[in-house]
Amino acid sequence: DVKVTQSSRYLVKRTGEKVFLECVQDMDHENMFWYRQDPGLGLRLIYFSYDVKMKEKGDIPEGYSVSREKKERFSLILESASTNQTSMYLCASSLNPGSQETQYFGPGTRLLVL
Amino acid sequence: LAKTTQPISMDSYEGQEVNITCSHNNIATNDYITWYQQFPSQGPRFIIQGYKTKVTNEVASLFIPADRKSSTLSLPRVSLSDTAVYYCLVGDTGFQKLVFGTGTRLLVSP
Repeated sequence: DVKVTQSSRYLVKRTGEKVFLECVQDMDHENMFWYRQDPGLGLRLIYFSYDVKMKEKGDIPEGYSVSREKKERFSLILESASTNQTSMYLCASSLNPGSQETQYFGPGTRLLVL
Repeated sequence: LAKTTQPISMDSYEGQEVNITCSHNNIATNDYITWYQQFPSQGPRFIIQGYKTKVTNEVASLFIPADRKSSTLSLPRVSLSDTAVYYCLVGDTGFQKLVFGTGTRLLVSP
Protein backbone atom coordinates (compact mmCIF):
# COMPACT_ATOMS: atom_id res chain seq x y z
CA ASP A 1 0.00 0.00 0.00
CA VAL A 2 1.11 3.50 -0.81
CA LYS A 3 1.77 5.52 2.27
CA VAL A 4 1.83 9.29 2.34
CA THR A 5 2.67 10.80 5.68
CA GLN A 6 2.53 14.38 6.83
CA SER A 7 4.66 15.71 9.65
CA SER A 8 1.85 17.03 11.82
CA ARG A 9 -1.90 16.47 12.11
CA TYR A 10 -2.46 19.76 13.93
CA LEU A 11 -0.34 22.88 14.03
CA VAL A 12 -0.82 26.26 15.70
CA LYS A 13 1.35 29.17 14.59
CA ARG A 14 1.42 32.91 15.03
CA THR A 15 1.09 35.51 12.30
CA GLY A 16 4.44 36.21 10.68
CA GLU A 17 6.03 32.90 11.60
CA LYS A 18 7.72 30.77 8.98
CA VAL A 19 5.94 27.44 8.75
CA PHE A 20 7.19 24.19 7.26
CA LEU A 21 4.83 21.36 6.34
CA GLU A 22 6.54 18.13 5.43
CA CYS A 23 5.23 15.30 3.29
CA VAL A 24 6.87 11.95 2.65
CA GLN A 25 5.76 9.14 0.32
CA ASP A 26 7.19 5.64 0.30
CA MET A 27 6.29 4.39 -3.18
CA ASP A 28 8.90 6.07 -5.36
CA HIS A 29 6.25 8.25 -6.99
CA GLU A 30 7.39 10.88 -9.46
CA ASN A 31 4.70 13.43 -8.73
CA MET A 32 3.78 15.16 -5.51
CA PHE A 33 1.14 17.77 -4.77
CA TRP A 34 0.07 20.22 -2.09
CA TYR A 35 -3.58 21.22 -1.73
CA ARG A 36 -5.50 23.27 0.75
CA GLN A 37 -9.08 22.52 1.64
CA ASP A 38 -11.53 25.09 2.95
CA PRO A 39 -15.25 24.75 3.65
CA GLY A 40 -17.31 25.45 0.56
CA LEU A 41 -14.25 25.70 -1.69
CA GLY A 42 -13.23 22.07 -2.05
CA LEU A 43 -9.58 21.21 -2.66
CA ARG A 44 -7.41 23.78 -4.37
CA LEU A 45 -3.98 23.02 -5.75
CA ILE A 46 -1.14 25.15 -4.36
CA TYR A 47 1.96 23.61 -5.98
CA PHE A 48 3.00 20.37 -7.55
CA SER A 49 6.28 18.73 -8.47
CA TYR A 50 6.94 16.15 -11.17
CA ASP A 51 10.60 15.56 -10.37
CA VAL A 52 13.27 16.37 -7.83
CA LYS A 53 13.99 20.09 -7.71
CA MET A 54 11.13 20.76 -10.14
CA LYS A 55 8.01 22.65 -9.16
CA GLU A 56 4.97 24.09 -10.85
CA LYS A 57 2.45 26.60 -9.54
CA GLY A 58 -1.06 25.46 -8.98
CA ASP A 59 -4.13 27.63 -8.66
CA ILE A 60 -3.25 29.47 -5.46
CA PRO A 61 0.56 29.68 -5.02
CA GLU A 62 0.66 33.17 -3.51
CA GLY A 63 2.15 33.19 -0.03
CA TYR A 64 3.59 29.70 -0.39
CA SER A 65 6.78 28.12 -1.66
CA VAL A 66 7.85 24.49 -1.97
CA SER A 67 10.97 22.42 -1.88
CA ARG A 68 11.71 18.99 -3.32
CA GLU A 69 15.30 18.03 -2.66
CA LYS A 70 14.61 14.28 -2.53
CA LYS A 71 12.14 12.25 -4.53
CA GLU A 72 10.21 11.05 -1.51
CA ARG A 73 9.86 14.38 0.27
CA PHE A 74 7.90 17.50 -0.68
CA SER A 75 7.82 20.47 1.66
CA LEU A 76 5.37 23.34 1.73
CA ILE A 77 6.66 26.58 3.20
CA LEU A 78 4.64 29.51 4.43
CA GLU A 79 7.22 32.29 4.43
CA SER A 80 5.23 34.56 6.74
CA ALA A 81 2.05 32.93 7.98
CA SER A 82 -1.14 34.93 7.88
CA THR A 83 -4.57 34.24 9.37
CA ASN A 84 -6.06 33.61 5.92
CA GLN A 85 -3.74 30.62 5.60
CA THR A 86 -5.61 28.84 8.37
CA SER A 87 -6.77 25.71 6.57
CA MET A 88 -6.47 21.98 6.10
CA TYR A 89 -3.38 21.14 4.02
CA LEU A 90 -3.29 17.91 2.07
CA CYS A 91 -0.30 16.32 0.39
CA ALA A 92 -0.67 13.75 -2.40
CA SER A 93 1.52 11.72 -4.73
CA SER A 94 1.05 9.84 -7.98
CA LEU A 95 3.21 7.48 -9.97
CA ASN A 96 2.94 9.02 -13.42
CA PRO A 97 1.95 12.39 -14.78
CA GLY A 98 -1.55 12.73 -16.09
CA SER A 99 -4.67 13.87 -14.32
CA GLN A 100 -6.20 10.43 -14.76
CA GLU A 101 -3.52 8.94 -12.53
CA THR A 102 -4.62 7.95 -9.06
CA GLN A 103 -3.45 10.36 -6.41
CA TYR A 104 -2.71 9.05 -2.94
CA PHE A 105 -3.34 11.47 -0.14
CA GLY A 106 -1.89 11.92 3.29
CA PRO A 107 -4.08 12.43 6.37
CA GLY A 108 -3.80 16.21 6.22
CA THR A 109 -2.42 18.92 8.50
CA ARG A 110 -4.89 21.27 10.12
CA LEU A 111 -3.10 24.60 10.50
CA LEU A 112 -4.37 27.40 12.68
CA VAL A 113 -2.66 30.78 12.34
CA LEU A 114 -3.37 33.14 15.21
CA LEU B 1 -10.05 20.44 -18.12
CA ALA B 2 -13.69 19.58 -18.43
CA LYS B 3 -15.84 21.20 -15.77
CA THR B 4 -17.95 18.88 -13.67
CA THR B 5 -21.25 19.53 -11.95
CA GLN B 6 -22.62 17.34 -9.19
CA PRO B 7 -25.24 17.78 -6.46
CA ILE B 8 -24.05 19.53 -3.33
CA SER B 9 -25.61 16.99 -0.99
CA MET B 10 -27.66 13.80 -0.85
CA ASP B 11 -29.37 11.91 1.95
CA SER B 12 -29.99 8.18 2.17
CA TYR B 13 -30.76 5.41 4.62
CA GLU B 14 -28.80 2.33 5.44
CA GLY B 15 -29.30 -0.52 3.00
CA GLN B 16 -30.40 1.67 0.10
CA GLU B 17 -28.64 2.03 -3.22
CA VAL B 18 -27.26 5.52 -3.82
CA ASN B 19 -26.63 6.98 -7.25
CA ILE B 20 -24.64 10.19 -7.59
CA THR B 21 -24.67 11.73 -11.04
CA CYS B 22 -21.98 13.99 -12.38
CA SER B 23 -22.36 16.16 -15.45
CA HIS B 24 -19.34 16.84 -17.67
CA ASN B 25 -20.68 18.23 -20.93
CA ASN B 26 -17.29 19.29 -22.26
CA ILE B 27 -15.50 16.02 -21.71
CA ALA B 28 -12.73 15.44 -24.25
CA THR B 29 -12.03 12.29 -26.20
CA ASN B 30 -9.06 11.29 -24.09
CA ASP B 31 -10.57 12.14 -20.71
CA TYR B 32 -11.12 9.52 -18.03
CA ILE B 33 -13.75 9.88 -15.30
CA THR B 34 -12.56 9.33 -11.76
CA TRP B 35 -14.33 9.36 -8.41
CA TYR B 36 -12.75 9.99 -5.03
CA GLN B 37 -14.22 9.59 -1.54
CA GLN B 38 -13.27 11.71 1.45
CA PHE B 39 -14.14 10.99 5.07
CA PRO B 40 -14.03 13.76 7.66
CA SER B 41 -10.49 14.66 8.76
CA GLN B 42 -8.91 12.43 6.10
CA GLY B 43 -7.49 12.93 2.64
CA PRO B 44 -9.51 11.82 -0.40
CA ARG B 45 -9.07 8.29 -1.64
CA PHE B 46 -9.60 6.82 -5.08
CA ILE B 47 -12.80 4.81 -5.52
CA ILE B 48 -13.23 4.04 -9.20
CA GLN B 49 -12.30 5.17 -12.69
CA GLY B 50 -13.76 4.55 -16.12
CA TYR B 51 -13.73 5.64 -19.72
CA LYS B 52 -16.98 4.28 -21.11
CA THR B 53 -19.85 1.88 -20.39
CA LYS B 54 -19.69 0.29 -16.96
CA VAL B 55 -16.94 -0.36 -14.46
CA THR B 56 -17.43 -2.27 -11.22
CA ASN B 57 -15.13 -2.94 -8.30
CA GLU B 58 -15.60 -4.12 -4.75
CA VAL B 59 -16.71 -0.68 -3.60
CA ALA B 60 -18.87 0.82 -6.35
CA SER B 61 -20.04 0.81 -9.93
CA LEU B 62 -19.57 3.56 -12.47
CA PHE B 63 -22.03 3.95 -15.33
CA ILE B 64 -21.03 6.05 -18.33
CA PRO B 65 -23.50 6.54 -21.20
CA ALA B 66 -22.37 6.46 -24.80
CA ASP B 67 -22.11 10.24 -25.14
CA ARG B 68 -19.96 10.38 -21.95
CA LYS B 69 -21.44 13.75 -20.98
CA SER B 70 -22.40 12.42 -17.60
CA SER B 71 -21.54 9.57 -15.28
CA THR B 72 -23.21 7.93 -12.31
CA LEU B 73 -21.47 6.54 -9.27
CA SER B 74 -23.55 3.77 -7.75
CA LEU B 75 -23.04 2.63 -4.16
CA PRO B 76 -24.98 -0.56 -3.42
CA ARG B 77 -26.61 -0.98 -0.01
CA VAL B 78 -24.95 1.92 1.75
CA SER B 79 -24.04 1.83 5.42
CA LEU B 80 -23.40 4.60 7.93
CA SER B 81 -19.69 4.38 7.11
CA ASP B 82 -20.39 5.52 3.54
CA THR B 83 -21.15 9.00 4.87
CA ALA B 84 -18.53 11.07 3.09
CA VAL B 85 -17.92 13.61 0.36
CA TYR B 86 -17.68 12.18 -3.16
CA TYR B 87 -15.76 13.98 -5.89
CA CYS B 88 -16.13 13.48 -9.63
CA LEU B 89 -13.17 14.46 -11.79
CA VAL B 90 -12.30 14.22 -15.47
CA GLY B 91 -8.84 14.38 -16.99
CA ASP B 92 -6.53 12.77 -19.48
CA THR B 93 -2.97 11.57 -19.83
CA GLY B 94 -1.60 15.05 -20.27
CA PHE B 95 0.00 16.55 -17.25
CA GLN B 96 -2.90 18.65 -16.10
CA LYS B 97 -4.03 19.77 -12.72
CA LEU B 98 -6.61 17.67 -10.97
CA VAL B 99 -9.62 19.83 -10.18
CA PHE B 100 -11.67 18.50 -7.28
CA GLY B 101 -14.50 20.98 -7.00
CA THR B 102 -16.74 20.91 -3.94
CA GLY B 103 -18.06 17.36 -4.31
CA THR B 104 -21.32 15.75 -3.13
CA ARG B 105 -21.83 15.34 0.59
CA LEU B 106 -23.62 12.04 1.21
CA LEU B 107 -25.28 11.52 4.57
CA VAL B 108 -26.43 8.00 5.40
CA SER B 109 -28.86 7.72 8.29
CA PRO B 110 -29.97 4.67 10.29
